[in-house]
Amino acid sequence: NAGVTQTPKFQVLKTGQSMTLQCAQDMNHEYMSWYRQDPGMGLRLIHYSVGAGITDQGEVPNGYNVSRSTTEDFPLRLLSAAPSQTSVYFCASRTGWSREGYTFGSGTRLTVV
Amino acid sequence: EDQVTQSPEALRLQEGESSSLNCSYTVSGLRGLFWYRQDPGKGPEFLFTLYSAGEEKEKERLKATLTKKESFLHITAPKPEDSATYLCAVQETSGSRLTFGEGTQLTVNP
Repeated sequence: NAGVTQTPKFQVLKTGQSMTLQCAQDMNHEYMSWYRQDPGMGLRLIHYSVGAGITDQGEVPNGYNVSRSTTEDFPLRLLSAAPSQTSVYFCASRTGWSREGYTFGSGTRLTVV
Repeated sequence: EDQVTQSPEALRLQEGESSSLNCSYTVSGLRGLFWYRQDPGKGPEFLFTLYSAGEEKEKERLKATLTKKESFLHITAPKPEDSATYLCAVQETSGSRLTFGEGTQLTVNP
């Protein structure tokens, strides 16, 4: 049981490049979310999904795109990377009925130069 | 707009010195309040969920309590391995989104 798996763990991009951060969970969780974590600002929600085919914007969605074609996968796309997107990105998932909190992945540390 | 404020930002304790972390929140309707622990370089790890004022949850040296406006994470006789950043988050009744506080960085010295 791997939980929530994020790849890559580290990435350096040049301004203007695009890339996809991968997130996969093997717990059959309906809910999945993407957060970014910056010093002094805590965890901020980028996009989230309550099930396959359903996504919605969070607090800081600009510059990011998501899709949810399967229950297991929830990739995050950076359309044209900017230095302001330098951050640590976390993917998280949970069941719709569980009283427990989200299970988080180990994160992707992204640097945009 | 939901707001979560954690205090203090940082706390240094000696091993065995008990203390409390505070999480104050503003939300239109509380569906749940969550506590997480985060170690450096790792993702947050779920600790507790609290749903209603007066509720308490315990796990080893940690005890979380909830009132209508704030939650406390009490740490009894902490050990160095309790050193971490503790995060608080709220979920409002109308959705599945979590709003996080900035966290309290706890250091326990031997």
